[in-house]
Amino acid sequence: EAGVTQFPSHSVIEKGQTVTLRCDPISGHDNLYWYRRVMGKEIKFLLHFVKESKQDESGMPNNRFLAERTGGTYSTLKVQPAELEDSGVYFCASSQDVNPYEQYFGPGTRLTVT
Amino acid sequence: AQTVTQSQPEMSVQEAETVTLSCTYDTSESDYYLFWYKQPPSRQMILVIRQEAYKQQNATENRFSVNFQKAAKSFSLKISDSQLGDAAMYFCAYRSTGNQFYFGTGTSLTVIP
Repeated sequence: EAGVTQFPSHSVIEKGQTVTLRCDPISGHDNLYWYRRVMGKEIKFLLHFVKESKQDESGMPNNRFLAERTGGTYSTLKVQPAELEDSGVYFCASSQDVNPYEQYFGPGTRLTVT
Repeated sequence: AQTVTQSQPEMSVQEAETVTLSCTYDTSESDYYLFWYKQPPSRQMILVIRQEAYKQQNATENRFSVNFQKAAKSFSLKISDSQLGDAAMYFCAYRSTGNQFYFGTGTSLTVIP
C-alpha cells in the first residue's frame, strides 16, 4: 500500500511569488490534514478535509493560503503571495477513520522563501 | 488551548542503553489521545506508540514504552536497548476530542555506537 506522498520535496521561491504544494493521501482515506513546522518550532495544524469539504480550517494563518481538495482525492495548498515567514516544512497526513486512529504522515515539503 | 512541551531539544544515548524522552501537556479535557511520532532523517514521520487517556495501563511496543501520568499531565517515552536506527527527531503529540493534533517542538535523539 502506497503511503502519503507530497510534491515537491523542496521548493525555493522568492518573496511575492506563488507556490502550490500537493498531497496525495493513502487511497480510501477520507480525512486529509495539513500541518506546518517552522524551523525549531512545533508542528502546527493548518486544516482538515473530510473528503472534499473543509472540516476545520482554524489553523490557516491568513488569506494568502488556499487549500483545495477537489473530488476528495489529492489536495493542494497554494501560498500567494509568499512571504519570508511562510518558510518551513509543510506536512500532509491522512486517516481512514477520525476516531480514534492515528494519522499517516507524508514526508513533507520544505518551503524556502527568500 | 492545548499545549505540548518537550523540554529536551537534543538527547543522546549509547547504543544498547536506555533513554527517556520527556513530554508534558496542558489540557482541560478528560478524554484524549497521546502519541509519540518518530521522524528519521529520511523525513517520513511514523507513529511509535499511542496511549488512550482513559487507560491506566502504560502502552508498550517492543522496546518502546511510555510512562503516562495523567494527573501530572506527563507522557514520557522510554526506549530500551537503543539501536542506531532509533536516531531521529521524536515528536510528542496530543489529539483532542475535537480531533485536532497538537505537537511539541521535538527532541533530536542521537545514538552513539
